[in-house]
Amino acid sequence: QVQLQESGPGLVKPSQTLSLTCTVSGGSISSGDYYWSWIRQPPGKGLEWIGYIYYSGSTYYNPSLKSRVTISVDTSKNQFSLKLSSVTAADTAVYYCASDPVRDIWGQGTMVTVSS
Amino acid sequence: DIQMTQSPSSLSASVGDRVTITCRASQGISNYLAWFQQKPGKAPKSLIYAASSLQSGVPSKFSGSGSGTDFTLTISSLQPEDFATYYCQQYNSGLTFGGGTKVEIK
Repeated sequence: QVQLQESGPGLVKPSQTLSLTCTVSGGSISSGDYYWSWIRQPPGKGLEWIGYIYYSGSTYYNPSLKSRVTISVDTSKNQFSLKLSSVTAADTAVYYCASDPVRDIWGQGTMVTVSS
Repeated sequence: DIQMTQSPSSLSASVGDRVTITCRASQGISNYLAWFQQKPGKAPKSLIYAASSLQSGVPSKFSGSGSGTDFTLTISSLQPEDFATYYCQQYNSGLTFGGGTKVEIK
């Protein structure tokens, strides 16, 4: 079965760029016309969708984050990635990679803290 | 962008109670609506997709209904393992989550 695993730094300094990668295992990121999402959850708060990408490279971003977000895909590595620029403490959260809600595949989540 | 308004934000209920959570979209989303359950420290888990389709392996005590802008999630008989936070999510245009409903033990 398909599994997802997030990786990347757990601590990022303010004003820098947060970079995370999601590795897809047990299946191909290119199989089917599915999208792959990044979702985050600040401590004690609700879920916020960041954006998603199709294996073709087409992207769709949350309008509130669009100016700072880039999501990319590397089909050769079966990975997709998130870059969030100009981070502040408000970007401190658990970051999840996930499939579409019908297939319902989630990574375990990775905590990213923005602090100097 | 589409906003999702979920209510109540929290509720207290007893084992065996029937519980209903509602979600309203700011514009019509057809049936592109999913419900998730999240327990502390864990990733969300989908219960329902397409407003009323039960995910594989999810017990039939969970049911979803609605179309357009108004949706409900019902738990027919609350059990101890059901105490959690529940989120609705629209996937008609991008993705948007509701604010969540924390179901606590009375």
